[in-house]
Amino acid sequence: GENVEQHPSTLSVQEGDSAVIKCTYSDSASNYFPWYKQELGKGPQLIIDIRSNVGEKKDQRIAVTLNKTAKHFSLHITETQPEDSAVYFCAASKASQGAQKLVFGQGTRLTINP
Amino acid sequence: NAGVTQTPKFQVLKTGQSMTLQCAQDMNHEYMSWYRQDPGMGLRLIHYSVGAGITDQGEVPNGYNVSRSTTEDFPLRLLSAAPSQTSVYFCASSPRVGGLGELFFGEGSRLTVL
Repeated sequence: GENVEQHPSTLSVQEGDSAVIKCTYSDSASNYFPWYKQELGKGPQLIIDIRSNVGEKKDQRIAVTLNKTAKHFSLHITETQPEDSAVYFCAASKASQGAQKLVFGQGTRLTINP
Repeated sequence: NAGVTQTPKFQVLKTGQSMTLQCAQDMNHEYMSWYRQDPGMGLRLIHYSVGAGITDQGEVPNGYNVSRSTTEDFPLRLLSAAPSQTSVYFCASSPRVGGLGELFFGEGSRLTVL
């Protein structure tokens, strides 16, 4: 089955700098890669996703890149702000399957220092 | 809309006790699921349901039981609590049964088993 590895487990950056979180996946048939953000005391919330037919997707200050050959994808946050502090989870699955096949990474705790 | 509502938010049990974590959603989603979140292990699927009367096991189902008598409710039962079940539990729903679909999470239930 699918296995998703996420790095780093913790990341601390200065406000205004960029943050990058990386994930690798094992199943070359996976083609759907969402990212979830979990704020303190809350449940995870979808912030961006990408399908394997594109290499990059942007939404304001966040972007996700995908390298299908290397089987890795990354979340990029530019001009970080205090509200970006949270735990971020990557995930992978086949788009044709249901949410029950979504496999999550271990999570990255991002801290933005003022 | 309230979205996904979980109760209780906190619970302390003694080993061997049983309890039920409640989950309700008001979005008319067919798909509902339960995850547990442990440090360094991401989100792991316990059980899921693709509609009323239909449930199935996820990655870590042992020690848990579920039922789905209505579209709205999906309770998780701990039959005989063990310290290994100390975790944060999240209920999630999705509008899609098959294929791509955003997961909507509740705010979590923190369970401690002594």
